[in-house]
Amino acid sequence: EVQLLESGGGLVQPGGSLRLSCTASGFILRNYGMTWVRQAPGKGLEWVSSITGSGDARYYADSVKGRFTISRDNSKNTLYLQMNSLRAEDTALYYCAKYRTYGDPNLDYWGQGALLTVSS
Amino acid sequence: QSALTQPPSVSGSPGQSVTISCTGTSSDVDSYDRVSWYQQPPGTAPRLMIYEVSNRPSGVPDRFSGSKSGSTASLTISGLQAEDEADYYCSSYTSTSVVFGGGTKLTVL
Repeated sequence: EVQLLESGGGLVQPGGSLRLSCTASGFILRNYGMTWVRQAPGKGLEWVSSITGSGDARYYADSVKGRFTISRDNSKNTLYLQMNSLRAEDTALYYCAKYRTYGDPNLDYWGQGALLTVSS
Repeated sequence: QSALTQPPSVSGSPGQSVTISCTGTSSDVDSYDRVSWYQQPPGTAPRLMIYEVSNRPSGVPDRFSGSKSGSTASLTISGLQAEDEADYYCSSYTSTSVVFGGGTKLTVL
């Protein structure tokens, strides 16, 4: 059974940093691209970042480019999102999600999300 | 890539059909068959319902169908059931980015 479990969320002051993790099980992580999607309270879905299975290509939304870094450790079955220079508008539930197939970024499995609150 | 446009809300009675539209541009929806639809019941993670305009993943009921005409994609739910009440999001992608629509709240009357 495919499972994705996010962790590392919390309360951070503006300008601070935090790293989210997403632990995968039930599939071979290196065979799939992965994505982070966020959802601000009461708002819609917003794509944040994606990474290919090997990690050789990474993509970012303009809203986080230069502040967030996506990475993965396939040996640990874990996806990461390093978030720096955090702003109030980054407050959201952050989901990790799996590509449906190797090169297909449709997201067929999602975690339950990790909540980030940026506030002083 | 600009956000896709969806109606904020739609509603229908059990057994009826409803259609949710998703309007993009000639640069995304019109040019590629890269439209997907996600269902998000309250308090839960999104679920992929349709990919590549009209394909259903395993386990998705055939009451859900997708189509596209020009720059507008559509999700149709036939035989509406109470459990279909949720937010629905369309999505499109390029080789380097993904964009979601603003979401449509489906109310089953």
